[in-house]
Amino acid sequence: RKEVEQDPGPFNVPEGATVAFNCTYSNSASQSFFWYRQDCRKEPKLLMSVYSSGNEDGRFTAQLNRASQYISLLIRDSKLSDSATYLCVVDRGSTLGRLYFGRGTQLTVWP
Amino acid sequence: EAQVTQNPRYLITVTGKKLTVTCSQNMNHEYMSWYRQDPGLGLRQIYYSMNVEVTDKGDVPEGYKVSRKEKRNFPLILESPSPNQTSLYFCASSAPPEIRVAFFGQGTRLTVV
Repeated sequence: RKEVEQDPGPFNVPEGATVAFNCTYSNSASQSFFWYRQDCRKEPKLLMSVYSSGNEDGRFTAQLNRASQYISLLIRDSKLSDSATYLCVVDRGSTLGRLYFGRGTQLTVWP
Repeated sequence: EAQVTQNPRYLITVTGKKLTVTCSQNMNHEYMSWYRQDPGLGLRQIYYSMNVEVTDKGDVPEGYKVSRKEKRNFPLILESPSPNQTSLYFCASSAPPEIRVAFFGQGTRLTVV
């Protein structure tokens, strides 16, 4: 079983739509969780950290369910500029600084 | 400007010809790492370094070497490249307390023929 599993998509949505991405992780010792964004052929960039209580950053909401080992990202009012691949990232628990990356979920927002 | 710089950005080479991909960061970060990204496989860690002269293997270290003689630099060395090392490579750095938050370089697209 892969450490981090994501639905690869692609998700194709119209502008203004709400879209949700899900991710599961296998290491119950993981402590830190993130969503990264990667534009085509470019470097990944941190979108947001995910906290146990859930957190919001503008149109983006991240949720964590430790019991189910499940992470989600909700994007409201999608913009064309949201088109990218979204990577679910989980730390390895015991080994400081080491991260597991999901394969990414591809999103295309069309006008 | 805070950044991680990789060179070269693109490289086509032949099997067996030693090459080095450089990585430099100007943020005084202790932690640096190398990843490769392949279609359908996502990002996989090759090597990482917790500080100067401290390096360790990641998930896919075979065929690669690294060194960390200075805090800012973390070169990736392919002593004898093979076609299965054709990939997109990223260097990343981070620092306590947010050591799990990585800043990535722009990537090096390597083709080995």
